[in-house]
Amino acid sequence: EAGVAQSPRYKIIEKRQSVAFWCNPISGHATLYWYQQILGQGPKLLIQFQNNGVVDDSQLPKDRFSAERLKGVDSTLKIQPAKLEDSAVYLCASSSTTSGRGGEQFFGPGTRLTVL
Amino acid sequence: RKEVEQDPGPFNVPEGATVAFNCTYSNSASQSFFWYRQDCRKEPKLLMSVYSSGNEDGRFTAQLNRASQYISLLIRDSKLSDSATYLCVVNTRDNFNKFYFGSGTKLNVKP
Repeated sequence: EAGVAQSPRYKIIEKRQSVAFWCNPISGHATLYWYQQILGQGPKLLIQFQNNGVVDDSQLPKDRFSAERLKGVDSTLKIQPAKLEDSAVYLCASSSTTSGRGGEQFFGPGTRLTVL
Repeated sequence: RKEVEQDPGPFNVPEGATVAFNCTYSNSASQSFFWYRQDCRKEPKLLMSVYSSGNEDGRFTAQLNRASQYISLLIRDSKLSDSATYLCVVNTRDNFNKFYFGSGTKLNVKP
């Protein structure tokens, strides 16, 4: 079974530039998550999709971050404009279980973003 | 208050040692509990789920105490390859399969 795919793996940009990340979850997984992981910290949820609908984006800095999952499969996360503090690893994960049942998440390899 | 709290460590132990990590969670409605392992510059991967009755997988034992709202992970006979960051993860019933991560506990196993 193919895992969660993410691209690019690494990105270096200057502050105020824009950047986009792509994620393709495991086939059939309805729930997709984007996390931000800053060095030395645990992953922080940015946005969670159930199929193509957003179920939680409470920690997404909406003035600069946006995400979409138009067809309920792959997803893009965009930052515009980037700030120095956005330097982090952006992890995409997917899971197949729905509300109230819990279950394992599967993570992609992440995109390491450096903002100069 | 954070949803999930862990001691960041690092825990520096010799090979063969037994080491235990604890994690506390704040939401009593939490339903599912997990330990994930994260190697340096890699993505988190599920180590084991944590069940109310406790569960064991080889050298690893996980325990859940709902009354005190904490989860533990015990590693026996530590190996060099156990060196990693261990993330405590809690899944809460009142959201669509939402996972809360602790900041992780770093383990260094020394020869």
